[in-house]
Amino acid sequence: NAGVTQTPKFQVLKTGQSMTLQCAQDMNHEYMSWYRQDPGMGLRLIHYSVGAGITDQGEVPNGYNVSRSTTEDFPLRLLSAAPSQTSVYFCASSRRTGNTEAFFGQGTRLTVV
Amino acid sequence: AQKVTQAQTEISVVEKEDVTLDCVYETRDTTYYLFWYKQPPSGELVFLIRRNSFDEQNEISGRYSWNFQKSTSSFNFTITASQVVDSAVYFCALSEHYFGNEKLTFGTGTRLTIIP
Repeated sequence: NAGVTQTPKFQVLKTGQSMTLQCAQDMNHEYMSWYRQDPGMGLRLIHYSVGAGITDQGEVPNGYNVSRSTTEDFPLRLLSAAPSQTSVYFCASSRRTGNTEAFFGQGTRLTVV
Repeated sequence: AQKVTQAQTEISVVEKEDVTLDCVYETRDTTYYLFWYKQPPSGELVFLIRRNSFDEQNEISGRYSWNFQKSTSSFNFTITASQVVDSAVYFCALSEHYFGNEKLTFGTGTRLTIIP
């Protein structure tokens, strides 16, 4: 199994550009989430989804959109990139029941110039 | 709101020493889950342990052990006989039961450096 796959691994954007970070999981997990990791701040939740068609905001949602049209995919859209969105982004997935661990993708390092 | 505090920003120890990483949490829920993740220099997040709020038994896995104390809201992580491969950033995280694992609250992490 591939687990959680994020693409791209690295990206440089200019201020104002838009882009989509892709996240796919092949474990049939109901739950998926996006986090950003900034120095000294740990990981902070951006958006999450408890199933296809259901999404909600996390701690730092501004500037990001998500959708969940399938169980497998949970893309994160940056509408108009800003330097403050320079960060490492992680996608995670987990089962709804049994409260197992969250599986994380390899991360996407995004730089906005 | 839930909160996780890892007061130790950076720790350095000489190889083979024991080291304890502290984690203190806050939550209003009676049912919750605590996690430790390791982030090596390569950047991925590696799951180490999950503990639910009803199980206060300490756990040992090889050189790793965890001490969960609800009375002090702490979930500390000890590495015995540390090795250079243990050098990483370690995150403690909290998940409230109602929301499952899609909403993890992370601490700010502790960067552990093992000096050969």
